[in-house]
Amino acid sequence: SQTIHQWPATLVQPVGSPLSLECTVEGTSNPNLYWYRQAAGRGLQLLFYSVGIGQISSEVPQNLSASRPQDRQFILSSKKLLLSDSGFYLCAWSGGLNSNQPQHFGDGTRLSIL
Amino acid sequence: GQQVMQIPQYQHVQEGEDFTTYCNSSTTLSNIQWYKQRPGGHPVFLIQLVKSGEVKKQKRLTFQFGEAKKNSSLHITATQTTDVGTYFCAGGVAQKLVFGQGTRLTINP
Repeated sequence: SQTIHQWPATLVQPVGSPLSLECTVEGTSNPNLYWYRQAAGRGLQLLFYSVGIGQISSEVPQNLSASRPQDRQFILSSKKLLLSDSGFYLCAWSGGLNSNQPQHFGDGTRLSIL
Repeated sequence: GQQVMQIPQYQHVQEGEDFTTYCNSSTTLSNIQWYKQRPGGHPVFLIQLVKSGEVKKQKRLTFQFGEAKKNSSLHITATQTTDVGTYFCAGGVAQKLVFGQGTRLTINP
């Protein structure tokens, strides 16, 4: 069966520090991968999605970037964190970019910027 | 950009009461999906509706997709404390899945 791993679960970082969040998927090949951010008590904001290795689409301009160095690995990064980057970051995968495919989420990373 | 609107934002009920959340889009959706996020957890896929006028049930949960494929609803009959969480709809728009803002359900036991 397919599983998705996301780490770390929680992270506290000072303003201006770099960020690297990692997500890996097991049990499937060529998944579509997504990064979302969820502010406290709010909805899901799609940040990036990827349909294949090295292919990244950005949904909103921001302080963050994403990379997909391997088929089942998706990384969210920042060179310098801002206070506004705080939130709950969720990685998800689906079986295809077709919007008919359900998305499966990781456990998320709670990021606090001090 | 394309939005999928979901109401209400919050709903508090007494245990045993019914609950309904609504999802609306200005354009036709290819499908509608529903997810549940428990407090402190991540969204979990519940169900997908594809056909116009489709109705699906999961125990006490009833999901409907409108005839025009622009709206949907989730109805929970006789809520239980285990139903607590945020319910998201997500509509298929131009090859993308667009999430609503969610309805947070709290229950007074």
